[in-house]
Amino acid sequence: NAGVTQTPKFQVLKTGQSMTLQCAQDMNHEYMSWYRQDPGMGLRLIHYSVGAGITDQGEVPNGYNVSRSTTEDFPLRLLSAAPSQTSVYFCASSYSPSHEQYFGPGTRLTVT
Amino acid sequence: AQKVTQAQTEISVVEKEDVTLDCVYETRDTTYYLFWYKQPPSGELVFLIRRNSFDEQNEISGRYSWNFQKSTSSFNFTITASQVVDSAVYFCALSEADNYQLIWGAGTKLIIKP
Repeated sequence: NAGVTQTPKFQVLKTGQSMTLQCAQDMNHEYMSWYRQDPGMGLRLIHYSVGAGITDQGEVPNGYNVSRSTTEDFPLRLLSAAPSQTSVYFCASSYSPSHEQYFGPGTRLTVT
Repeated sequence: AQKVTQAQTEISVVEKEDVTLDCVYETRDTTYYLFWYKQPPSGELVFLIRRNSFDEQNEISGRYSWNFQKSTSSFNFTITASQVVDSAVYFCALSEADNYQLIWGAGTKLIIKP
């Protein structure tokens, strides 16, 4: 099992560009989520999904979109990148929010 | 309102000392789950333990132990005979049965000096 995979590992964007961060899991988990982690800070939830076709907003959803067309994939789209979105992004999956989450290796995004 | 507080921003100890990381939570639910995760300097997030609200037994795993006390709403983590490899940021998190969003503490940075 690959677990949770994220691509790319690093990305530099210019202000106003859009891009998609990819996340995939092979554990058949229903619950998936995206977090951002700013330097020296904890995790903030961006969006989450409780199953294919079902997504909802977390604590900091503005500027991001998600979709969940399959159980395995949960991409995160940055619509128009801003310097405030410079961060490390983690994707996670679990059987449910009450179960332990498995995290991807993270994507380090810099917006100039 | 639900909340997780890790009051210790940073702890620094010398190798082989014991160290306790505090986690205090707030919830109105009777059914909830508590977690600890480790984030070493390499950046990945690693699950350490999950505990449900109906099980107050302390847990020991090697040099790691966890003390869950509902009376004080605390779920503290102790590392015995710390090692340099224990240096990391440790996060405590809360999941309520009827809430799809995990509540995370701000993390405690643990530095183990040789």
